[in-house]
Amino acid sequence: AQSVAQPEDQVNVAEGNPLTVKCTYSVSGNPYLFWYVQYPNRGLQFLLKYITGDNLVKGSYGFEAEFNKSQTSFHLKKPSALVSDSALYFCAVRDSYHNNAGNMLTFGGGTRLMVKP
Amino acid sequence: DVKVTQSSRYLVKRTGEKVFLECVQDMDHENMFWYRQDPGLGLRLIYFSYDVKMKEKGDIPEGYSVSREKKERFSLILESASTNQTSMYLCASSFTKRGSYEQYFGPGTRLTVT
Repeated sequence: AQSVAQPEDQVNVAEGNPLTVKCTYSVSGNPYLFWYVQYPNRGLQFLLKYITGDNLVKGSYGFEAEFNKSQTSFHLKKPSALVSDSALYFCAVRDSYHNNAGNMLTFGGGTRLMVKP
Repeated sequence: DVKVTQSSRYLVKRTGEKVFLECVQDMDHENMFWYRQDPGLGLRLIYFSYDVKMKEKGDIPEGYSVSREKKERFSLILESASTNQTSMYLCASSFTKRGSYEQYFGPGTRLTVT
C-alpha cells in the first residue's frame, strides 16, 4: 500500500523568508511524487513532480522540492515566501510497483501555509 | 492548457433529491476521478474510471454512483442526497501513459444538502 504524510497542519512564515512544507511517503517500489496547491474555493493546481533523475525538482511559481530516498521525504521549498503563496498544499504519491489501473494517487492531509507581511 | 470543468461551482439540494455532478475534460485523458474534500480529512477518492464505461470504487463509494458514457465526461450521482454528503466535490483527470501520472483538477463544486 502507498501512503503519504504531511506532519504539519499549518506552517507560518514571514514574507521574504524561506519556506519548507514537509512530506514523507511510504511505497513498495520506487515513488512517483507530486505537489499541488489549492487556493480558497478552488481546485488543486499541479506544482511539480518527481518521477526519476535529479533529486531537486523545480516547479511553478518558484517552488522546488527535494527528493530524499534515504529519508523517504519530498519536502517543498521556496527561497523567499510571498504573501500570495498563502494556500493549502498537498503532497501525493504513486507507487511504481503497484498495479494501478487508473494511476491512482494517494494524497496527504494537506498543510496550510500562512505567509505574513 | 489542460482544462477540467465542472457543471456547477455551488449547489444547494434538499435531502432525498437525486443530484448529478458533471465533469468534462478536454485533453483526451483516459483516467477520470471524483473526490470529496472535507476539513481535516483531506481528499478522499469516491470513484474513478480508466476507460469509457469502466468504473472502479474508491475509498468511500457508499451513497454514490458514476457514469462514463463518453471519454471526456464523468458524472457523479447522488441517488438520494443526505446532509452528510454536504462537501466540496473535486473532479480530476490524467493520462495513462508512463511518466504522465499527474492529475489535473476542476474548480470544484461546493454542495450543500439541507
